[in-house]
Amino acid sequence: AQKITQTQPGMFVQEKEAVTLDCTYDTSDQSYGLFWYKQPSSGEMIFLIYQGSYDEQNATEGRYSLNFQKARKSANLVISASQLGDSAMYFCAMREGSNYGGSQGNLIFGKGTKLSVKP
Amino acid sequence: DAGVTQSPTHLIKTRGQQVTLRCSPKSGHDTVSWYQQALGQGPQFIFQYYEEEERQRGNFPDRFSGHQFPNYSSELNVNALLLGDSALYLCASSLVPSGGGTDTQYFGPGTRLTVL
Repeated sequence: AQKITQTQPGMFVQEKEAVTLDCTYDTSDQSYGLFWYKQPSSGEMIFLIYQGSYDEQNATEGRYSLNFQKARKSANLVISASQLGDSAMYFCAMREGSNYGGSQGNLIFGKGTKLSVKP
Repeated sequence: DAGVTQSPTHLIKTRGQQVTLRCSPKSGHDTVSWYQQALGQGPQFIFQYYEEEERQRGNFPDRFSGHQFPNYSSELNVNALLLGDSALYLCASSLVPSGGGTDTQYFGPGTRLTVL
């Protein structure tokens, strides 16, 4: 069965420093996608970054990068130069590459990591 | 370009009642997925609609049902509410790119349902 594990319930980081949020996954599929979402206290899930299982290079989006280690089944999120506005819950999610008549299937989420940025 | 919208933002119901939540997808998106997020947990997939049909369903009872309209908007209905149905209900929309690639799901702000 698919599973996402986020082992850090909470993390603290000093403003302007970098932080790594851990995510490991379990799947028997060769084709899958990994996503990171940010959820501020308002509740909305904000898409940050995506990594496909066949992508050879690590994904980057601005201050976000994904450290993808396929053999270890890990997809850690790295946030560089942390800002106070980065304080939020962060969720790692996975989708296997099934195609359901136009859709690419549902997301499986981890339990999240609460990041707090200190001034 | 409007993002995903959901209504209402908050709702309070009592056990046994029925509730309908609504979602309008991001402009250009044709697929709507619904998730339930209990306090302190990650979202759990309820079901997904594409071309007005339920294409995929998570491990939720038949009390949870939905609908997708021709304009791609969607409703989530929950019958015979239980205390355990109290949660944040998130709607996400997506579009499979015609040239290949992934259909990233974009979420709305959610509806917080409280069952008393």
